[in-house]
Amino acid sequence: DTGVSQNPRHKITKRGQNVTFRCDPISEHNRLYWYRQTLGQGPEFLTYFQNEAQLEKSRLLSDRFSAERPKGSFSTLEIQRTEQGDSAMYLCAIPHATGGLSGNTIYFGEGSWLTVV
Amino acid sequence: AQSVSQHNHHVILSEAASLELGCNYSYGGTVNLFWYVQYPGQHLQLLLKYFSGDPLVKGIKGFEAEFIKSKFSFNLRKPSVQWSDTAEYFCAVNAISGYNKLIFGAGTRLAVHP
Repeated sequence: DTGVSQNPRHKITKRGQNVTFRCDPISEHNRLYWYRQTLGQGPEFLTYFQNEAQLEKSRLLSDRFSAERPKGSFSTLEIQRTEQGDSAMYLCAIPHATGGLSGNTIYFGEGSWLTVV
Repeated sequence: AQSVSQHNHHVILSEAASLELGCNYSYGGTVNLFWYVQYPGQHLQLLLKYFSGDPLVKGIKGFEAEFIKSKFSFNLRKPSVQWSDTAEYFCAVNAISGYNKLIFGAGTRLAVHP
C-alpha cells in the first residue's frame, strides 16, 4: 500500500491530444508532489502543493502542463497538446511525517504511464 | 543547485557476491539522504534513509548505507546479494530547508544471476 492512488495507470494518446492524471492520497496530507520519470532516469521534480496552494514549479513544467489541488486533497496534472517527449511515468508523492518538517520521508504512488504516439 | 551522481549505471553480480553502489551529492548545507528501490514492474519503495546521528544506517532486506560527510557520499552496501535484489536503485537527497523536494540520481540497474 503506497498511500496514494493514481489514475489512469496507463494512457496511450495521440500527439496533440490532452491528457489528465489524477492523484488521490488515501489519507489527508497537507503536502503533495508530482514527479516525472523517463526510462533510464531517476524521478524529476515537477511541482509541489501545500494544501491547495501550488508553491513550486520546476522549469520542466512548460505552459502545456497545469496542476491543481482544488480542495487540498486530490490533485490533477493536465498536459495539453501532448508531444512525444511527454512520454514518461508521472508519479504522485506524499510525505510521511517522522517528526518535524525535516524528518519527512516521501512515499510514491504507482504512477501513471503516458505513451504519446 | 543540488545534484546527485550515481556512478554505476549497470551492475551485474552473481548471488552471494557483495554489493556497493556509489552515490555522491553536491550541496553545501545539511541534507537528508535516501535510497529508493524499484523492483521490475513495481513502484518506488524506500530502502533506507539518513537524517542525523549514526552515519551507518540500516535498511530493509539487509541493506545498509554509510554517510561520509567529508566525501559527500552515501554509498549503499549489502554483504551478500540475492536474485530477488534484481532492481533499479536510486539515491536521493533533499535539503533540510525547503519543501522536502527530492533530487534523484539517474539510478543503478542491478542484475543478480543465480
